[in-house]
Amino acid sequence: KQEVTQIPAALSVPEGENLVLNCSFTDSAIYNLQWFRQDPGKGLTSLLLIQSSQREQTSGRLNASLDKSSGRSTLYIAASQPGDSATYLCAVSGADSWGKFQFGAGTQVVVTP
Amino acid sequence: EAGVAQSPRYKIIEKRQSVAFWCNPISGHATLYWYQQILGQGPKLLIQFQNNGVVDDSQLPKDRFSAERLKGVDSTLKIQPAKLEDSAVYLCASSPTPDSYEQYFGPGTRLTVT
Repeated sequence: KQEVTQIPAALSVPEGENLVLNCSFTDSAIYNLQWFRQDPGKGLTSLLLIQSSQREQTSGRLNASLDKSSGRSTLYIAASQPGDSATYLCAVSGADSWGKFQFGAGTQVVVTP
Repeated sequence: EAGVAQSPRYKIIEKRQSVAFWCNPISGHATLYWYQQILGQGPKLLIQFQNNGVVDDSQLPKDRFSAERLKGVDSTLKIQPAKLEDSAVYLCASSPTPDSYEQYFGPGTRLTVT
């Protein structure tokens, strides 16, 4: 059974610092990995989707890497801003999962001005 | 394009009572998901619909939870009777096709069982 772990559970950084969020998964036979953002009282918003054949994906200040063999992904957020404060979740999908994800518990990020 | 709508946003009930949640997906999206997110945990899939048929309900506690999607559009999730451990946020999501990894989430319904 796939298990997804995110460490740390919470993180606080001053504005301008780079953020590094970690995600690990136990079964390397994944189809893709996705990073989501969750704001209080709101649903999840997809940030980046990495296919199993890719090593990284970039969007603006966000960069996500994937090392399938070691079961790890890292989300980098450059030059953090207070608006980046949210909970970040990673989710993995298997090849036969038909759109279904296994989520981690998330990392709660606070960026202080 | 309107997003996924859910109601109510908040609900407080006593244990053993029943409760129902409603979801309206994005227009044209064939696939609809219900997730349960307990505080401090990631969302857990409860049920997946393709149009008005069930694709996966393996993690739905069927002794107390039920869900339906009439006419392949709106969906309701019901809990009867509720237990304290059902306190969670219930998220609805939709996607264009069942094998799409683009899921659009609603704001969720926060349920508190006392």
